Amino acid sequence: TQLLEQSPQFLSIQEGENLTVYCNSSSVFSSLQWYRQEPGEGPVLLVTVVTGGEVKKLKRLTFQFGDARKDSSLHITAAQPGDTGLYLCAGAMQANFGNEKLTFGTGTRLTIIP
Amino acid sequence: NAGVTQTPKFQVLKTGQSMTLQCAQDMNHNSMYWYRQDPGMGLRLIYYSASEGTTDKGEVPNGYNVSRLNKREFSLRLESAAPSQTSVYFCASSGRTGPTYGYTFGSGTRLTVV
Repeated sequence: TQLLEQSPQFLSIQEGENLTVYCNSSSVFSSLQWYRQEPGEGPVLLVTVVTGGEVKKLKRLTFQFGDARKDSSLHITAAQPGDTGLYLCAGAMQANFGNEKLTFGTGTRLTIIP
Repeated sequence: NAGVTQTPKFQVLKTGQSMTLQCAQDMNHNSMYWYRQDPGMGLRLIYYSASEGTTDKGEVPNGYNVSRLNKREFSLRLESAAPSQTSVYFCASSGRTGPTYGYTFGSGTRLTVV
């Protein structure tokens, strides 16, 4: 059972369009992170959201954490070919020794067509 | 600006062979992690080390062992490789005992077991 479900799994849109990808869970997270991964590379952190209802903007990317801290969304305005990549959400939960552990979603593979 | 360095980048093993994947970080981070990434499965935690001298199992530890050699280095060992261990392996580190501050990933080791 996947703790974090991302949708859609694949998305291909034209340059200039807007899009939203979703990350959903039945579990409550202490924080949620979004990463972007390009082929042959490791994921790179985009943002961390901590407070329920929090909205963070990173240029054309807007991230929102759900009020109940169970879900999140990533909205991209006027998509560019450079936005192409695998977008991963990751939720933090308490693990042993007081540490937190990240659980990753399966990802949304985004392709922006010039 | 090395960040997290993984070696090797590619490896082909025969079933039953052993090998060690190396990981080193130069950011003075306390916590280090090993993940595997498989199509449709996302990133799954194999083992983690919250601090030097401690290690703990993640979601999929069977068939693997780890060593936190010092604060910089965290290695992953496959004692007797199996085809099911064909995957891309990522090492990551974080600056606090929790992931709220984000993980830094290496560029991965692509392992094929034949």
